[in-house]
Amino acid sequence: NAGVTQTPKFRVLKTGQSMTLLCAQDMNHEYMYWYRQDPGMGLRLIHYSVGEGTTAKGEVPDGYNVSRLKKQNFLLGLESAAPSQTSVYFCASSVSLGRNQPQHFGDGTRLSIL
Amino acid sequence: AQRVTQPEKLLSVFKGAPVELKCNYSYSGSPELFWYVQYSRQRLQLLLRHISRESIKGFTADLNKGETSFHLKKPFAQEEDSAMYYCALGINTGTASKLTFGTGTRLQVTL
Repeated sequence: NAGVTQTPKFRVLKTGQSMTLLCAQDMNHEYMYWYRQDPGMGLRLIHYSVGEGTTAKGEVPDGYNVSRLKKQNFLLGLESAAPSQTSVYFCASSVSLGRNQPQHFGDGTRLSIL
Repeated sequence: AQRVTQPEKLLSVFKGAPVELKCNYSYSGSPELFWYVQYSRQRLQLLLRHISRESIKGFTADLNKGETSFHLKKPFAQEEDSAMYYCALGINTGTASKLTFGTGTRLQVTL
């Protein structure tokens, strides 16, 4: 049972490089989310999507772009990586209907920007 | 704006001792509270949610709207409870469902 799968698991970039993080879920969830986790700051929402073809900004969207071309995939892009984007990135998904629906998380991607 | 506060970065207790992980929130609407847990080398997972009023792995949490708190409690700590715990506030805007997380508390259970 894969659930939410993130690729890659680790990556080191140089400042100014670009890359895309992939999140895939096999639970037919409508909602998908990208968070970053930094020491002492918990998880902060970067962008989210309420369905295929839709995206919205979260708490810390600057420097990131996202796309949801297929329901099962949610891509997070860094166009020009900066050291401040060194973090652990988590993807999550959830069903859309009703209250108190839990989010299901991936294993995370550890990204270092030199 | 909504906020979740977990005042303790680290809570260290002895095995068999009671545990209380504190969580306070601020939100003008009707809150939905969750506790998520991250064990070593595992993904973040839901531990419990206030609406379920259930006990999971011996943990319980009661929503106190008067004190705006959702503290996580367990009467007798076990070694396997050592993990990172996050309190989260759920918000439904009608078009989306989002979580605001606290900064987390690391629980360390020692012999």
